[in-house]
This record gives sequence, C-alpha cells and structure tokens, in this order.
Amino acid sequence: KQEVTQIPAALSVPEGENLVLNCSFTDSAIYNLQWFRQDPGKGLTSLLLIQSSQREQTSGRLNASLDKSSGRSTLYIAASQPGDSATYLCAVRPRETSGSRLTFGEGTQLTVNP
Amino acid sequence: SQTIHQWPATLVQPVGSPLSLECTVEGTSNPNLYWYRQAAGRGLQLLFYSVGIGQISSEVPQNLSASRPQDRQFILSSKKLLLSDSGFYLCAWSVSRRDEKLFFGSGTQLSVL
Repeated sequence: KQEVTQIPAALSVPEGENLVLNCSFTDSAIYNLQWFRQDPGKGLTSLLLIQSSQREQTSGRLNASLDKSSGRSTLYIAASQPGDSATYLCAVRPRETSGSRLTFGEGTQLTVNP
Repeated sequence: SQTIHQWPATLVQPVGSPLSLECTVEGTSNPNLYWYRQAAGRGLQLLFYSVGIGQISSEVPQNLSASRPQDRQFILSSKKLLLSDSGFYLCAWSVSRRDEKLFFGSGTQLSVL
C-alpha cells in the first residue's frame, strides 16, 4: 500500500527566504506526482505535475523535482512571499490503475512572515 | 475554460438526517469525477470516482453513496448521517487521460451534530 509522507508538517519562514518542502513515498511504481496548494477552507489548486519519466518541472518561482528510485520529491519556492502562505500537498498516482487513485500526503502548512 | 461548481459551502446537519451535495463541471465533456473527504490528521481520502454516466466506483465502505445522473453532474448522498461523516468534502475532475491534472471544487464543510 502506497504511503506518502510530508515533512515538516508546518514551516514558518521570513519573507524573501528560499525554501524546500519534502514529499516521500513508499512505492516507486508511480505514474506521476502532483503538488497542490490549499488555502484555508478552500479546495486544492494544482501547482505542478511531474511524470515518472521527468526529473523536474518549473512554474515561475516554483520548482518541483522527482527522484522516483528513492521515493522523493521536493518543492522549491524561491524568494517566498506572504501570499505563498498555504498548505502544500503532494499526491502520487500509481502506475497501474484506472480512474485516479491518487494517494495524498497530509501536507506542509507554510507561513511566510512579512 | 473549464470550471467546477460545488455547493453548499458549509452545512450543519443533525445526526440521522439525509445529505445531498452537488457538483457540476462546465466546459468539458465526459470528465472523470471524484469525491474526496479531508479530515483533520487524515489527509485526503478518495470516496468515489466515476468515468461516465451511471458508472460509480467506491473506494471505501461507508455510510455514503454517489450518483452521476448527467455527464457533468456528480452527487454525494447519505440517507442517515453519522457523527463520523463530518469533514471537508471536495469534488474534483480530470480529463479521461491519466496524465492530466486534477482540478478541485471549493469544498463543502459538513458538520454533523
């Protein structure tokens, strides 16, 4: 059974700092991995999707990397801003499946202080 | 562009009462549709998914059911709510290819008292 772990559970940083969020998964037989952002009381917004054949994806100040063999992904946020404060979740999709049986981590709650 | 609507945003219901949450998607055809529940300390749990009208797959045994009466409509229901049904319910959709992103609605906070 796939398990996804995100460390740390919470992180507080001053504005302008570069930071890394971690995601690890136990079964490396994945099809892809997604990073999501969730604001309090809201739905999830997809940030980046990395296919199993890819090593990284970039969008603006965000960079996500994937090391499938070691079961790890990182989300790098450059020059953090207070507006980046949110919970960040990663989710993996198994290689063999129908539908979308994503397994989610419990998220890292990020606070960027002005 | 595609949009997903989910309502209501919040709901307070007594134990034993029925439940109906609705989700609709606009701007796409034949989407995959999903219901997730997010409970504190448990992450997101997939409850149901559907690849077409009338086609529902349940991921976990529970007090809930789902229906897809139209291509872009997904309904989550219960005949009698339990206290343990409290949580944040999220509807989501994706195109029918596995490599596409998952798009979520704004969620319904359900409190069963």
